[in-house]
Amino acid sequence: KAGVTQTPRYLIKTRGQQVTLSCSPISGHRSVSWYQQTPGQGLQFLFEYFSETQRNKGNFPGRFSGRQFSNSRSEMNVSTLELGDSALYLCASSLGGSGLGYTFGSGTRLTVV
Amino acid sequence: QQQVKQSPQSLIVQKGGISIINCAYENTAFDYFPWYQQFPGKGPALLIAIRPDVSEKKEGRFTISFNKSAKQFSLHIMDSQPGDSATYFCAARIVNTGTASKLTFGTGTRLQVTL
Repeated sequence: KAGVTQTPRYLIKTRGQQVTLSCSPISGHRSVSWYQQTPGQGLQFLFEYFSETQRNKGNFPGRFSGRQFSNSRSEMNVSTLELGDSALYLCASSLGGSGLGYTFGSGTRLTVV
Repeated sequence: QQQVKQSPQSLIVQKGGISIINCAYENTAFDYFPWYQQFPGKGPALLIAIRPDVSEKKEGRFTISFNKSAKQFSLHIMDSQPGDSATYFCAARIVNTGTASKLTFGTGTRLQVTL
């Protein structure tokens, strides 16, 4: 079966711009979680969506937001980009969420210049 | 606040040797401890996981040892192979309220298996 698909794979944006990243989970998975991965901070939890509802949120500023559609596909948006937002953004899908049985996508590499 | 401490940061092991990666946690509310393997350009992939009521779990060449009293757990890779060269992350899950939960990851260990 198809894995978790994240698009685009690479993105270069300028400070102050906004960006939208997309994640298509494995068919049948209703939970999508987003993580930011950087060399300095490692993997940091952004938020989790389950059946179109945000179920949990990490300690990131309000510039980071997300949503989930009825087909379980999810998007995350970062507004007013800062240099420090440069990172690999990973989404993970699972059947029931709650941190169990995550399957990660290959991520979107965001570079802010 | 880092809640899962992982060591070492990097590890070089000869082919056929045993790779050991350690993690320690503070919060006794963690209830699920997975290990992930990540190759360059890929997302982390679930390798093996354990619950705190079990002291050891083995899947092929990979074993998790869990010490609840010491709040430590470790990954052992037996007969390490060059194909095992990757970054390994330990993680722990905490359930906040109801089903709201998340994984907290360690900082990662870069393993290199030499010939």
